[in-house]
Amino acid sequence: AQKITQTQPGMFVQEKEAVTLDCTYDTSDPSYGLFWYKQPSSGEMIFLIYQGSYDQQNATEGRYSLNFQKARKSANLVISASQLGDSAMYFCAMREVYNTDKLIFGTGTRLQVFP
Amino acid sequence: EPEVTQTPSHQVTQMGQEVILRCVPISNHLYFYWYRQILGQKVEFLVSFYNNEISEKSEIFDDQFSVERPDGSNFTLKIRSTKLEDSAMYFCASSERQDSYGYTFGSGTRLTVV
Repeated sequence: AQKITQTQPGMFVQEKEAVTLDCTYDTSDPSYGLFWYKQPSSGEMIFLIYQGSYDQQNATEGRYSLNFQKARKSANLVISASQLGDSAMYFCAMREVYNTDKLIFGTGTRLQVFP
Repeated sequence: EPEVTQTPSHQVTQMGQEVILRCVPISNHLYFYWYRQILGQKVEFLVSFYNNEISEKSEIFDDQFSVERPDGSNFTLKIRSTKLEDSAMYFCASSERQDSYGYTFGSGTRLTVV
C-alpha cells in the first residue's frame, strides 16, 4: 500500500500567487515526521520544511507552510507569493520513528510558475 | 552551512563494470543513507548505515550492492557488476540522530550505464 500519496502530477501557478501541493500519508506508527523537498532541474534534493506528528502547530519556513491535518492524514505544502524560481519537482516524504529510519517518498508534483 | 558532498556528479560506466560512488557526510553525523531515483520516478531508499554496519536495507539493495565507511569520513556505495537498470541518480544522506529531522542530502551522482 502507498504510504505517501501525491495526487497532483503537475500544477501551474502564476507568479505572486499562492499554491497548495497535496500530500496524504498512511502509517500506524504514532510517532512520525513529514518532510517536503524541492528538486530543481539540476537534480539536488533541497529540504524545505518538517512537521513532527506531535507538533501542535503547523510548521512554517519563510514562504513555505505545512497544512497538517492529522485526523485526515494530510500534510499539504503551501507556497505563498510564488516566484519563478519555485518551478521544480516537489516531494513529500515520511519517516516513521520507531523501527526504521528511512524516508518514504511520494511520486512528486511538478510545479510550474508562470509570469 | 555544513553539507554532504558527493563525487563524481556524473559517471558513465559500461554494463558489467564495477562502480564506486563516494560521499562525505557531515562530520558530526552518525547515520548514513543511500537513496536512488530512476529518471522521472520517485526517490527510493536503498540502505542505512550506523556504527559501521548496515542497519536497514531495501529489496533493491541486493548482493550486487555494498556500502563501506573506509576511513571515518567517506561513505561509499559499490555496485559490483552494473546493469542498464542501475542507471539512476544516487543520493547520499546523513543525519545526526536516528530521530532527527536534520536529514541532509547530497547533490547526487548521476550514474549512466551503457
